[in-house]
Amino acid sequence: GQNIDQPTEMTATEGAIVQINCTYQTSGFNGLFWYQQHAGEAPTFLSYNVLDGLEEKGRFSSFLSRSKGYSYLLLKELQMKDSASYLCAVMDSNYQLIWGAGTKLIIKP
Amino acid sequence: GAVVSQHPSRVICKSGTSVKIECRSLDFQATTMFWYRQFPKQSLMLMATSNEGSKATYEQGVEKDKFLINHASLTLSTLTVTSAHPEDSSFYICSAAGGEITEAFFGQGTRLTVV
Repeated sequence: GQNIDQPTEMTATEGAIVQINCTYQTSGFNGLFWYQQHAGEAPTFLSYNVLDGLEEKGRFSSFLSRSKGYSYLLLKELQMKDSASYLCAVMDSNYQLIWGAGTKLIIKP
Repeated sequence: GAVVSQHPSRVICKSGTSVKIECRSLDFQATTMFWYRQFPKQSLMLMATSNEGSKATYEQGVEKDKFLINHASLTLSTLTVTSAHPEDSSFYICSAAGGEITEAFFGQGTRLTVV
């Protein structure tokens, strides 16, 4: 079966760095997405990785290792507004998105 | 980035009535649209995938006669929840993809409450 695993909840301190891991097993691979979702809102796109390596976008970076079925989202200089759920999703060979359950990130002052 | 507009953002309806949710891609041609629902504190659950001009493909366990999906044009897909019941109350989200798929763009979501 297809499976995406990510931690249920993480806590970090304002100004610090946090890494959210995602491992996956899917039938085919056409890219891995990270989304941010605040309570009651639709997800917003953060990053897309299809090749191995690190993609950096400001305070957010995303890493992919296809051979390991592994990705992480790195958030630097954490701000209170970064408190949200972070969703990892993989696009399979049929171009369907397989979603992880999301990681609830709690930022403390 | 591309914009997907979903309407309405919130709707309250009575049991037994039908509700239509629209999803429009504003600046690109969406050959494929995905409809999701999300219960509180749970992940997104794919309901169906629709390709423009053809019948939607529903995920296992999703009633196609209850959740009617129409994707008649490259910029519009609709989801109609027929004979709504309180257990249909949920957050419904559409996403659209087209051309070179590098992102799946999401609508703002629709919070449906059936009373």
